[in-house]
Amino acid sequence: DQQVKQNSPSLSVQEGRISILNCDYTNSMFDYFLWYKKYPAEGPTFLISISSIKDKNEDGRFTVFLNKSAKHLSLHIVPSQPGDSAVYFCAARNAGGTSYGKLTFGQGTILTVHP
Amino acid sequence: DAGVIQSPRHEVTEMGQEVTLRCKPISGHNSLFWYRQTMMRGLELLIYFNNNVPIDDSGMPEDRFSAKMPNASFSTLKIQPSEPRDSAVYFCASRSEQGVNQPQHFGDGTRLSIL
Repeated sequence: DQQVKQNSPSLSVQEGRISILNCDYTNSMFDYFLWYKKYPAEGPTFLISISSIKDKNEDGRFTVFLNKSAKHLSLHIVPSQPGDSAVYFCAARNAGGTSYGKLTFGQGTILTVHP
Repeated sequence: DAGVIQSPRHEVTEMGQEVTLRCKPISGHNSLFWYRQTMMRGLELLIYFNNNVPIDDSGMPEDRFSAKMPNASFSTLKIQPSEPRDSAVYFCASRSEQGVNQPQHFGDGTRLSIL
């Protein structure tokens, strides 16, 4: 039962254009969502997050949008740069009970930004 | 600032041997998490500790796996005896409980190969 899904295994974008990475979830107990970026042979690095009480959070070139009714979030990168090429993971935090604080990760999307 | 430190970075051993993975969390972080990443299952949580106490070990696959956190600055994940299907990248992450909505910070992982 995959509670967090990233349906696109890969995405290819031209430098300077927008990258949009998508994530869907099924568990209505998730209250906090995060995006991590991962380079080969390194651990995931925290990128940006959003609380379930908001629908948008922006940090420089990175914006995360949350649509609670659709149980969908997306990460926008504008403008995309070659250094953004990495695997991007969506993660969701469980708000309640004994599972509080646990993160559930999606399978990841490989982003390639071409010069 | 020093991040999460994991050792060894790579481990190759024969099946049946005991394997010990080590993690030093970020100083001041109260929670520590062990994850395993495989192609088939992605990034999955094995166990997490809060203030050195195991809170949820439901992700630990079998009794062959055990984890300890004897103090706030050190944790181990042990596999005994190891099997080829344990081959994966194991990540440790830590998080501060100061304030709301703190992200987890990951180490660079241990790549484990069981022959």
